[in-house]
Amino acid sequence: SAVISQKPSRDICQRGTSLTIQCQVDSQVTMMFWYRQQPGQSLTLIATANQGSEATYESGFVIDKFPISRPNLTFSTLTVSNMSPEDSSIYLCSVSAQIETQYFGPGTRLLVL
Amino acid sequence: GQQLNQSPQSMFIQEGEDVSMNCTSSSIFNTWLWYKQEPGEGPVLLIALYKAGELTSNGRLTAQFGITRKDSFLNISASIPSDVGIYFCAGPGTEGAQKLVFGQGTRLTINP
Repeated sequence: SAVISQKPSRDICQRGTSLTIQCQVDSQVTMMFWYRQQPGQSLTLIATANQGSEATYESGFVIDKFPISRPNLTFSTLTVSNMSPEDSSIYLCSVSAQIETQYFGPGTRLLVL
Repeated sequence: GQQLNQSPQSMFIQEGEDVSMNCTSSSIFNTWLWYKQEPGEGPVLLIALYKAGELTSNGRLTAQFGITRKDSFLNISASIPSDVGIYFCAGPGTEGAQKLVFGQGTRLTINP
């Protein structure tokens, strides 16, 4: 399976600011995804990060709030913009190594004060 | 959209006991995935099931893909303290899709 790293691993931010999370994979992958895991909850897909084109967002998530970049097949970023305490969550990137199977990074733990 | 219902939501067991948890859906899934998430970590894939009726083992873990394609179970035999964590089932939202739908998770606590 692919080795996935995320930066930062955790952060504490002030409301109204923005944080960019990086996801790096050790091999080229076609599909990369970003998930949110709110405290004590399951995982919810934010968007699919498409290489060379705009990300595909799920219902309830918009590009202005969660802009995503995917400049190549091994790297993606997710920005959480204009943060509020409700954005406090774990943000996870994942990659699809084969059809219908995904591997996850270690996550970024975000606390917004 | 498709939903996965996991049960139980939490389990408190003694070390050495066997564990059984399951995942059901009102719609058909063509793939069932079982993940484990430990505190401070991302989910780790434990077992992937791709065929109805398939029974797959990974050490002390055994998972089965239900014959109706609407359910799956995960068993852990002879539990040990490092089995503690949250276990999630997941599957593709639609056939052939890359997007995953996750169950609510089963939180496993083990008393030594």
